[in-house]
Amino acid sequence: AQSVTQLDSHVSVSEGTPVLLRCNYSSSYSPSLFWYVQHPNKGLQLLLKYTSAATLVKGINGFEAEFKKSETSFHLTKPSAHMSDAAEYFCVVNGATNKLIFGTGTLLAVQP
Amino acid sequence: DTAVSQTPKYLVTQMGNDKSIKCEQNLGHDTMYWYKQDSKKFLKIMFSYNNKELIINETVPNRFSPKSPDKAHLNLHINSLELGDSAVYFCASSQLAGAVTDTQYFGPGTRLTVL
Repeated sequence: AQSVTQLDSHVSVSEGTPVLLRCNYSSSYSPSLFWYVQHPNKGLQLLLKYTSAATLVKGINGFEAEFKKSETSFHLTKPSAHMSDAAEYFCVVNGATNKLIFGTGTLLAVQP
Repeated sequence: DTAVSQTPKYLVTQMGNDKSIKCEQNLGHDTMYWYKQDSKKFLKIMFSYNNKELIINETVPNRFSPKSPDKAHLNLHINSLELGDSAVYFCASSQLAGAVTDTQYFGPGTRLTVL
């Protein structure tokens, strides 16, 4: 069975400071992992995905994530937060049958 | 040139009514999905179709009936609406069925409110 745990429901950072959104996964298979972002009243946009190639994955808008098998983690980072990064972020695992399993989301607030 | 589109964007209706949500994708994908996002923002898959054939049905009440007239369309019909059906419904599509690495592309969502 696959599952995803997002360790923080809310994260608040100041503009220009680093962002860290934490995600741990559990999967019986070699998983694919994704981060999606949802801006207020908008749909879901893919930020980046890991599919067993390079463990450090770069995404859009300066975000990146590192797959660490030993820690079963796939944390999302960005060196410098921007006001437009304020949104809900979902860590997602796809372990089998193309059935995405979503985490409960992390709401990122960016203070001026 | 929207990739995955849904109509309507907002739907407000009374309990007991029947309503439909439409989804279309112009990406040439073979597989389409319906997800439900509840009031706590939790997203869960409901259905998946591959080339008009149902491949995932996640124990959704049979008041919900997906219909795929062709592989570019996946509509969701809901009978006898209940208060608990209030949610945001997302349509998505991907190139392949059963491919773990495949990316799913989401529509903008339909916010359903049942009064």
